[in-house]
Amino acid sequence: NAGVTQTPKFRVLKTGQSMTLLCAQDMNHEYMYWYRQDPGMGLRLIHYSVGEGTTAKGEVPDGYNVSRLKKQNFLLGLESAAPSQTSVYFCASSDGDRGQAFFGQGTRLTVV
Amino acid sequence: AQSVTQLDSQVPVFEEAPVELRCNYSSSVSVYLFWYVQYPNQGLQLLLKYLSGSTLVESINGFEAEFNKSQTSFHLRKPSVHISDTAEYFCAVNPTGAGNNRKLIWGLGTSLAVNP
Repeated sequence: NAGVTQTPKFRVLKTGQSMTLLCAQDMNHEYMYWYRQDPGMGLRLIHYSVGEGTTAKGEVPDGYNVSRLKKQNFLLGLESAAPSQTSVYFCASSDGDRGQAFFGQGTRLTVV
Repeated sequence: AQSVTQLDSQVPVFEEAPVELRCNYSSSVSVYLFWYVQYPNQGLQLLLKYLSGSTLVESINGFEAEFNKSQTSFHLRKPSVHISDTAEYFCAVNPTGAGNNRKLIWGLGTSLAVNP
């Protein structure tokens, strides 16, 4: 059982470049989330989805876009990367009943 | 508004010593409570959770946490830590009821460093 899989695991971007992070889950969860983790700031919610075809903004959505075209996939896009987006990005999914989240292994993104 | 406070950002401790990582929350509704652990360069894993029933919950690797509703706390304890327990620990709550969209509210984390 793969759980939550994120690709890629590492990426270096130049300022202004774009990229898409892919998250895939095989647990048939309705809820999916994208977080960023920065030292001393814990986990901050970027965007989330409560089901296929739906997305909503979290705490820090600026500079990011998301799509949930299929239930099992949740994509996070950076249209024009900035150094402030250097971070570790985590995707998570939830069964919705109690809110227990299952996490991917993370994507370490560096914007130079 | 709901919030989670982890009272210690860093906890250094010697191997085989007891440890307590403190977590307090604020919520106007009932909550589900979670502790997650993050080992270096890895994702977060569920350590234990309180959903209902007994207020004392245990993990498979010797940690336990007690839900104290009157003090709105969910402190994590282990009587004897190992080097391998060195990690970042996150407390999270999920307020019950409609409208929350199952978004967990996170503490900022506590870094546990177990020294030989």
